Amino acid sequence: NAGVTQTPKFQVLKTGQSMTLQCAQDMNHNSMYWYRQDPGMGLRLIYYSASEGTTDKGEVPNGYNVSRLNKREFSLRLESAAPSQTSVYFCASSAAGAFEETQYFGPGTRLLVL
Amino acid sequence: GNSVTQMEGPVTLSEEAFLTINCTYTATGYPSLFWYVQYPGEGLQLLLKATKADDKGSNKGFEATYRKETTSFHLEKGSVQVSDSAVYFCALSMNTGFQKLVFGTGTRLLVSP
Repeated sequence: NAGVTQTPKFQVLKTGQSMTLQCAQDMNHNSMYWYRQDPGMGLRLIYYSASEGTTDKGEVPNGYNVSRLNKREFSLRLESAAPSQTSVYFCASSAAGAFEETQYFGPGTRLLVL
Repeated sequence: GNSVTQMEGPVTLSEEAFLTINCTYTATGYPSLFWYVQYPGEGLQLLLKATKADDKGSNKGFEATYRKETTSFHLEKGSVQVSDSAVYFCALSMNTGFQKLVFGTGTRLLVSP
C-alpha cells in the first residue's frame, strides 16, 4: 500500500498562475483533508471532505478550491496564486472523520510563489 | 477558539538523555489529544493519543498523560536516540462532530551522539 500520495513534490509559480495539487489514498478512507504548513504556525486546515461528494471549508480556505473527484482522490486548486500561498501543503485521510481517529499524511508539496 | 501551545524549540539533547516537550491546550469542552511526529522530508505520522482525562498514550518509548486539571499533554521519553530527531506536533480535536485537528506550532528535537 502506498498510503497517501501527493503530486507534485515541488512547484514554482509566478503570481497569478494557477495550479492543482493532487492527492490520492489507497486505504479506502472516507475522509480527506488539505493543510498548509508555515514556519512558526503549525498546520492549518484549508478544506476537508467528510465523505465522497462533500467538501467544507476549514480554517484558511480563502484563495483555494477543492474537488473530491471520487473516494480516492481529493485535489486542491489555486486559481490565482499569490506569494502568501508559498507554503508546504499536506494532504491527509482518515477512516471516517471520528474525533479519535488517526489521520494519515502524504509527504507534502512544497510550493513557491514568486 | 480552541488552541494548542507548545514549547519553543529547538530542543537539543545528547543521546540517552531524558526528554520532555511541554504541551498545553485551551478548549471549550473535552478534546482528544494527539502527538504527531514529522521526520525530515516526510509527512506527519501519529505517535500517540489519549481521548479522555487521565488516559496515558504510549508508543516507541514515548508517553504522554492527559491532565485535565492542568490542561496539559506533555510528551516524555526516558532515553532519546539520534533517530528521534524530528519535529513533534501536539494537536487536539473536539469530541463532537467531525474531526478537525488543531495543531501546535511544533517543537524540533535534535539528538546528538
